[in-house]
Amino acid sequence: QQPVQSPQAVILREGEDAVINCSSSKALYSVHWYRQKHGEAPVFLMILLKGGEQKGHEKISASFNEKKQQSSLYLTASQLSYSGTYFCGTEDGGGSEKLVFGKGTKLTVNP
Amino acid sequence: GAGVSQSPSNKVTEKGKDVELRCDPISGHTALYWYRQSLGQGLEFLIYFQGNSAPDKSGLPSDRFSAERTGGSVSTLTIQRTQQEDSAVYLCASSRDTSGPQHFGDGTRLSIL
Repeated sequence: QQPVQSPQAVILREGEDAVINCSSSKALYSVHWYRQKHGEAPVFLMILLKGGEQKGHEKISASFNEKKQQSSLYLTASQLSYSGTYFCGTEDGGGSEKLVFGKGTKLTVNP
Repeated sequence: GAGVSQSPSNKVTEKGKDVELRCDPISGHTALYWYRQSLGQGLEFLIYFQGNSAPDKSGLPSDRFSAERTGGSVSTLTIQRTQQEDSAVYLCASSRDTSGPQHFGDGTRLSIL
């Protein structure tokens, strides 16, 4: 079951904050976050595991609410380099060992 | 090389022809994944390998698609009798194990005329 990401797109000015959400209808074992810039391969940002803590990566952090089966990606004081499409990939609790990716959230950071 | 290598980077072929796409994962990575990405769309799972075995082939769109992995390393995705709807970017990723971060190659852009 494909996770649902929201919003589909967001436009920010440099320095503003954003939150991207990822929701699943299934119990999750892990959530992965990736960023893909136009014409490039997706790049890994972070993994959140069931029972794990909020993770951080520079000014990008994420949380995982197992009960609500959702994860949120927080981008604070956004930089121009944050522009791209953000994908969450979810691994369900059934031991599927594969990721199902959402459709992505396109983030544009303007000067 | 340090990263995942895919070849060719671009492939243009006529409808009905067969194509082979190659993926060379990061050395030591036991898990290998194939995805398809159509223009402006997300990542569609096709198949993954753990070693040389493919525990999950559920994402392969039809029996025209097949994949193999030999020696726990290089993988080949084969599309037979290509159709125009097969046009997409085919991405390969590898990871140290099935729960770890995936490292993506630059993809093969496949265009079917």
